[in-house]
Amino acid sequence: GQQVMQIPQYQHVQEGEDFTTYCNSSTTLSNIQWYKQRPGGHPVFLIQLVKSGEVKKQKRLTFQFGEAKKNSSLHITATQTTDVGTYFCAGLPSGGSNYKLTFGKGTLLTVNP
Amino acid sequence: DAGVTQSPTHLIKTRGQQVTLRCSPKSGHDTVSWYQQALGQGPQFIFQYYEEEERQRGNFPDRFSGHQFPNYSSELNVNALLLGDSALYLCASSLDPGAGNTIYFGEGSWLTVV
Repeated sequence: GQQVMQIPQYQHVQEGEDFTTYCNSSTTLSNIQWYKQRPGGHPVFLIQLVKSGEVKKQKRLTFQFGEAKKNSSLHITATQTTDVGTYFCAGLPSGGSNYKLTFGKGTLLTVNP
Repeated sequence: DAGVTQSPTHLIKTRGQQVTLRCSPKSGHDTVSWYQQALGQGPQFIFQYYEEEERQRGNFPDRFSGHQFPNYSSELNVNALLLGDSALYLCASSLDPGAGNTIYFGEGSWLTVV
């Protein structure tokens, strides 16, 4: 079955440093989604990427979808303590009626003020 | 406009018991999916309901069953509970997710099996 790998598993940064997490799918995706989960909370939708090579920005966050639609990245510029949490990517397989969203294991980001 | 609401928020059950978790989707949403999130892991897809039918199922045993009602609310039932069923159970609602619609998660139900 489809697998989604995410690295790194953990990342600790000093406030103001940049952060990147990477996501790779074993199969081609119709879209990829990113979520943030604060400690003790539930996943909150950040963004969805659909097109090959797509790049989207939300303030300090930059999301990319690979040309082959199998990999993606999330980059945070100048991290802040409010960025703390686990960032998950989740992929929806391409082709046909497949509605199973597969999540990576997430990257836990901690920020030292 | 209420988002996705789940109940109960926390519960403790004994091995072998049965549990029912409930979910009310965001207003206007017709698709409900259930996920299991173990500590330190990403959510894992249990199944999805659409038009009161189970549309797709993940790799979970038949002990996990569900239902969707005409008002689109949903229940997740787990029979013969095992210690390994202890997890956060998340409900997510959307319009047809295959069309790229945003998926909204509820705050989850924390299940502890002792």
